[in-house]
Amino acid sequence: ELKVEQNPLFLSMQEGKNYTIYCNYSTTSDRLYWYRQDPGKSLESLFVLLSNGAVKQEGRLMASLDTKARLSTLHITAAVHDLSATYFCAALNQGAQKLVFGQGTRLTINP
Amino acid sequence: NAGVMQNPRHLVRRRGQEARLRCSPVKGHSHVYWYRQLPEEGLKFMVYLQKENIIDESGMPKERFSAEFPKEGPSILRIQQVVRGDSAAYFCASSPRERPGEASNPEAFFGQGTRLTVV
Repeated sequence: ELKVEQNPLFLSMQEGKNYTIYCNYSTTSDRLYWYRQDPGKSLESLFVLLSNGAVKQEGRLMASLDTKARLSTLHITAAVHDLSATYFCAALNQGAQKLVFGQGTRLTINP
Repeated sequence: NAGVMQNPRHLVRRRGQEARLRCSPVKGHSHVYWYRQLPEEGLKFMVYLQKENIIDESGMPKERFSAEFPKEGPSILRIQQVVRGDSAAYFCASSPRERPGEASNPEAFFGQGTRLTVV
């Protein structure tokens, strides 16, 4: 059974700093998603990573995928307050039709 | 995300009542997924439906919960005899094909969710 674990679960950081959120998954998966959720809101798609070594960047966020290590990372560069949110990764099993989500990382960026 | 409409956005039910949650997928999408999010937790898969068929209901509680996606009309998640533990946000996602994300961009679009409160 595919399991997805994120760490840290809570992250408080100062503006301007860099940090990384880690997403490990337990069995082979051929695609990995990152979502952002603001309080009381739905999920906003950030990235989908389809292959080993895939790297995608959007603004201050960069996501990467290492399928051999079963690890994806979401790197935040020079954080700004607007990035405060909960970030979820989700993996899709090969041959399956459902996303399995991590617990989420609640990111708070302080001025 | 754009196009997936869920209603109501907020629903309050007394214990023992029925809750009906509706999801209209993106036009042209024939695959619908329901997820439940408990406070401070991630999303848990409940059920995957195609038009008139339940494909995977492995995440659905065995009792009181049912889902349908008729040929015409929205998908419905129905919870009978609600209990306090059913209080959660219920999200629907739709996809045009069997495996969301076939293209380079995500194709599983999430609705705004229905926040169910059982009092």
